[in-house]
Amino acid sequence: TQLLEQSPQFLSIQEGENLTVYCNSSSVFSSLQWYRQEPGEGPVLLVTVVTGGEVKKLKRLTFQFGDARKDSSLHITAAQPGDTGLYLCAGARSNDYKLSFGAGTTVTVRA
Amino acid sequence: SAVISQKPSRDICQRGTSLTIQCQVDSQVTMMFWYRQQPGQSLTLIATANQGSEATYESGFVIDKFPISRPNLTFSTLTVSNMSPEDSSIYLCSVDEGWNTEAFFGQGTRLTVV
Repeated sequence: TQLLEQSPQFLSIQEGENLTVYCNSSSVFSSLQWYRQEPGEGPVLLVTVVTGGEVKKLKRLTFQFGDARKDSSLHITAAQPGDTGLYLCAGARSNDYKLSFGAGTTVTVRA
Repeated sequence: SAVISQKPSRDICQRGTSLTIQCQVDSQVTMMFWYRQQPGQSLTLIATANQGSEATYESGFVIDKFPISRPNLTFSTLTVSNMSPEDSSIYLCSVDEGWNTEAFFGQGTRLTVV
């Protein structure tokens, strides 16, 4: 059983559409990170959120951290083919040096 | 940020043989992590490698199958021993800059066992 439940597992959308990926847990995290991974590469950090209720924007990407620091979402506005990839959420807990990864969401944006 | 060089990037190996994967970091780090990932899926932590002590293995992974070396603060190796087709996967090394900070990853080693 994974500590972080990530959904959906797959998303296929048309260019210009919006999408949201969710990451949920029953555990509290000191911070939550979102990574994107492209084929043949390692995951690359997109953002870290640390404060409950925090919202961060990175161009067309919006990240939210839940008030209770148990969940997070990634929203992409007007998706482009370059947004295609595997998106992973990862949580850090104050009593554990290891990151807990979600199952990942494979996003495909069709031109 | 840390830059990680991992090699080989891919290999096809015969069952029963062993493969050693190298991970070189451009700065000194306390902990290095080794993950396994099926294509398109999440990361499973194999072990944490600390310099000067034995690696700490996660449940389901043992030292005899995945021996790890950590001779200094910038380098580590993971060996996949006595390989079987079930070991076919992507293996990633990772470092972070401290407790609960951003993780940096190598580009991964795609292993196929035939």
